Order: sequence, then structure tokens, then C-alpha cells
Amino acid sequence: DSGVTQTPKHLITATGQRVTLRCSPRSGDLSVYWYQQSLDQGLQFLIQYYNGEERAKGNILERFSAQQFPDLHSELNLSSLELGDSALYFCASSPDPNNEQFFGPGTRLTVL
Amino acid sequence: QQQVKQSPQSLIVQKGGISIINCAYENTAFDYFPWYQQFPGKGPALLIAIRPDVSEKKEGRFTISFNKSAKQFSLHIMDSQPGDSATYFCAASMYSGSRLTFGEGTQLTVNP
Repeated sequence: DSGVTQTPKHLITATGQRVTLRCSPRSGDLSVYWYQQSLDQGLQFLIQYYNGEERAKGNILERFSAQQFPDLHSELNLSSLELGDSALYFCASSPDPNNEQFFGPGTRLTVL
Repeated sequence: QQQVKQSPQSLIVQKGGISIINCAYENTAFDYFPWYQQFPGKGPALLIAIRPDVSEKKEGRFTISFNKSAKQFSLHIMDSQPGDSATYFCAASMYSGSRLTFGEGTQLTVNP
């Protein structure tokens, strides 16, 4: 158990809908990362936050957004969902941007 | 653009054998090379990592070999065990806390 928690574990929704994925980092970790794992794209970096501020951005779609709150938990918002958004979404955390990343168990999103 | 290429896609090894997974990268700015292990239904877990100032790093049965001039690195699992059966991902980043670029993954099966 990495100490990173993600909710929900599974999420099934329909095309066009909006969902929110939640991540609680390990105690004391200030940096949060979001990754998407799909069969065709593999594991891809989406976005990174450090102490509430966006630090780095990957190939994150404009329909997706994220934020990190003062209590350091983070949320990934996915809107106007498409079938191709079905994937595993992982959150990772690290104490600071110069330390190793520890991954949560993921949220499996299925868009029907 | 895939910047980290991993092979083989799948690997079957007998118990007690050596498992070898190879990765090649393109971006010479990468300075941190971790390997992650992922079991079904779980998030990737950091296994071992190396920086380019050393050519080899060993932790228990796991060894990373690094060839900076060839821009290649590999994971060796000695005395492979059925419990090692998992998907292994190599990754690369500018430093340990920056965005990770992952390889495609190798599904390892260790037969008893």
C-alpha cells in the first residue's frame, strides 16, 4: 500500500457526462501527479500540482481539468466524456518535485 | 512521439531463471530512470531506479544496467519467482520528481 488513496475505485458513466476523480496524497506529500493508462496509449502523464499550484502539464485534453486544494487532495475533472476516455486514471504523490513518485490504486473509468 | 521504447512486450521464464527487460530512450535530457512493477488491479509500484552517473544498480534480485552512450537500460531479475509475475514498466524523466515518460510495458510470467 503506497499510502495514496483514490476514489472511486470504479466509475461507469455515459458519453457526454462529467465525472470527478479524487486523490489523497501520502501524508506530508506536497506534489500530486495524474496519469492515464489505456490500452492504446499506455501510461501517459496528464498534469502535476505542487502545493496547490500547477507545475507541469502533459497531453491533457481541454475537456479535462484538475486542481489541488489547500488540504493537498486533488481532483481530476473529466467532462463531455467520450468512449475513448475509458481508462485507468492514476494519481501519484511525492514529498516535493525532486522526489520519487508513489502511485495510488487508480480509478477505472468506463464510458458507455 | 514515443520517447521510451521497451521490449519484449511479453516474457515467459521458468522459476529460478533470469528475466531481462530492455528499454531505449531518445531524450538525452533524461536523468532519472525508474522501473515500476504493476500487478493486476493495482497501481504501479516503484521497484528500483538509477541515475546515469552509475552503470549498474542492484537491489536484492533486481539489477538495472545502464548504457549512457547507447541510451539504453535494462532490468535483470535474478532467480525469478512466480510471485514476480506482473507487468513491468521502464520510465524516464528529467529528475525523480518530474513527469515520467513510460515504456509500453512487459508482461512477465514466471512458470513454477
